Amino acid sequence: EIVLTQSPGTLSSSPGERATLSCRASQSISNRNLAWYQQKVGQAPRLLIYGASSRATGIPDRFSGSGSGTDFTLTISRLEPEDFAVYYCQRYGSSPVTFGQGTKVEIK
Amino acid sequence: EVQLLESGGGLVHPGGSLRLSCAASGFTSTYYAMGWVRQTPGKGLEWVSSISSSGDNTYYSDSVKGRFSISRDNSKNTMYMQMNSLRAEDTAVYYCARKLLGIGEDISPVFDYWGQGALVTVSS
Repeated sequence: EIVLTQSPGTLSSSPGERATLSCRASQSISNRNLAWYQQKVGQAPRLLIYGASSRATGIPDRFSGSGSGTDFTLTISRLEPEDFAVYYCQRYGSSPVTFGQGTKVEIK
Repeated sequence: EVQLLESGGGLVHPGGSLRLSCAASGFTSTYYAMGWVRQTPGKGLEWVSSISSSGDNTYYSDSVKGRFSISRDNSKNTMYMQMNSLRAEDTAVYYCARKLLGIGEDISPVFDYWGQGALVTVSS
């Protein structure tokens, strides 16, 4: 099973700043089968990115994903107030699906 | 508008059973594989099970294999999860979710829409 480790655990930032979140896999992820989700308190996860860098439908372009192999990054170019949430990476494409433990982006 | 609505959660004793339902609307569910993901404060997000668009193929995590059974009724746009022999560690919020069309595999999907979740509590 591929283990996904996200860092940092918590990121304290201010609106307008750039946020960079990391997801590191214990083994190489084939075909860049890596997704990112956003989850706000009391809500379900929302798909942001799949295929490491493809934005899901309706996702603003301030969200971007990059990476391959074992190292992946989610970048939020300029934080909006609604972006403060928990972000999860997910590996898919071969069994089993695994999720990272999450990075909380909080207001400084 | 795509909507997924879970129902059937609740409190159950260890060893008991519960059936979750997921009613889908706003899309043609026969085209999409679906699945269940659960979330706990301690273990985070965990994929539980998936089912192909036709219902012919089903997949389970090792933690629930042999105890949980996923099914769907496309005529009712509804997916189900029958949970038997429940354990305390099955306590979680259970989300139903739709697999992103054309991406990934049914056995290991990426999900583009999620329901709001159903809380299952296993406790004596």
